[in-house]
Amino acid sequence: KNEVEQSPQNLTAQEGEFITINCSYSVGISALHWLQQHPGGGIVSLFMLSSGKKKHGRLIATINIQEKHSSLHITASHPRDSAVYICAVRTGGAQKLVFGQGTRLTINP
Amino acid sequence: EPEVTQTPSHQVTQMGQEVILRCVPISNHLYFYWYRQILGQKVEFLVSFYNNEISEKSEIFDDQFSVERPDGSNFTLKIRSTKLEDSAMYFCASSRQVYEQYFGPGTRLTVT
Repeated sequence: KNEVEQSPQNLTAQEGEFITINCSYSVGISALHWLQQHPGGGIVSLFMLSSGKKKHGRLIATINIQEKHSSLHITASHPRDSAVYICAVRTGGAQKLVFGQGTRLTINP
Repeated sequence: EPEVTQTPSHQVTQMGQEVILRCVPISNHLYFYWYRQILGQKVEFLVSFYNNEISEKSEIFDDQFSVERPDGSNFTLKIRSTKLEDSAMYFCASSRQVYEQYFGPGTRLTVT
């Protein structure tokens, strides 16, 4: 069983739609990261969460520690948001990140 | 804004050859990491490095792999004798503390 599961694996939506990507994990964590990977392959860190909610522009990330679940929301989605969104967790005192398989998001104009 | 850089962006090598992938972390960062992503698969942790030594490594990071910080600015990953299955995108990351990690653009390694 994967420690980090994301859903959906693929998501296609129209420009302007509200997007939700989910991440569930099975281990105790010290932090959860949301990352964005563009077609060229580069990875950009979007958020790091250990509790509650964070907002940056049109992106909102939430985490529920008791339910071991996090969501990434995109409001007023735009074609430039098309990318793979990856959830990754840091467990306990470890430094490494454990990654989910990613959600491929495509926003059509 | 400071960023992690990696060279080369693409490396093609023959099976059995040694390769060195280079990374320049952000200058005041103390923790350094290598990850890899085989095409179509998820990103996997290889190794973390702090205070001039390996602090954590995965099962993937066997005797064929080594890391070094040779001059205080570069952070390198060496694969001694490459195999076909080493073909992947290799990402370097760095962090000032054990918090948010900043990723480099990756090196695509192709082993033929």
